[in-house]
Amino acid sequence: NAGVTQTPKFQVLKTGQSMTLQCAQDMNHEYMSWYRQDPGMGLRLIHYSVGAGITDQGEVPNGYNVSRSTTEDFPLRLLSAAPSQTSVYFCASSLAVIHNEQFFGPGTRLTVL
Amino acid sequence: QQQVKQSPQSLIVQKGGISIINCAYENTAFDYFPWYQQFPGKGPALLIAIRPDVSEKKEGRFTISFNKSAKQFSLHIMDSQPGDSATYFCAARSDYKLSFGAGTTVTVRA
Repeated sequence: NAGVTQTPKFQVLKTGQSMTLQCAQDMNHEYMSWYRQDPGMGLRLIHYSVGAGITDQGEVPNGYNVSRSTTEDFPLRLLSAAPSQTSVYFCASSLAVIHNEQFFGPGTRLTVL
Repeated sequence: QQQVKQSPQSLIVQKGGISIINCAYENTAFDYFPWYQQFPGKGPALLIAIRPDVSEKKEGRFTISFNKSAKQFSLHIMDSQPGDSATYFCAARSDYKLSFGAGTTVTVRA
């Protein structure tokens, strides 16, 4: 099992550009989520999904879109990148909504100029 | 506004010493309290977790102490080793969502 994979590892964008951060898991997990990690702020939940076709907002959803067309994939879209979105982004998954352990991917470091 | 407040921001401990990290919360709907460990350049990984009906949980050198009435919980790392040098995050869950503390960077000096 590859676990949770994220691409790309690094990305530099200009203000106003759009892009999609990819996340995939091969563990047949129902629950998937996206976090951003900023210094001194821990990890903050952006969006999450409790199963294919179902998504919901987390703590900091503005400027981001998600979709969950398959169990395996949970892409995060930045519609019009802003410098405030410079961060490290982590995707995570867990077996089921009620399952406790979340498995995190290796992260994507995004810089918006 | 962070729902889980974590302290200290960083700490340095000698090899063999005890590291203590504290967290506090207000939301009584939280039903699960995990601790995650993160090494530089990696994603966080679950270290140990506790439910609010238990006052203490121990796994090897790691112990969570939980005080439900005070809405506080803490992580104790006994016999700290250089390999324990990492950033530790406490977290709390309600309604399918995890809220994380700001993190504590632990440095263990040999």
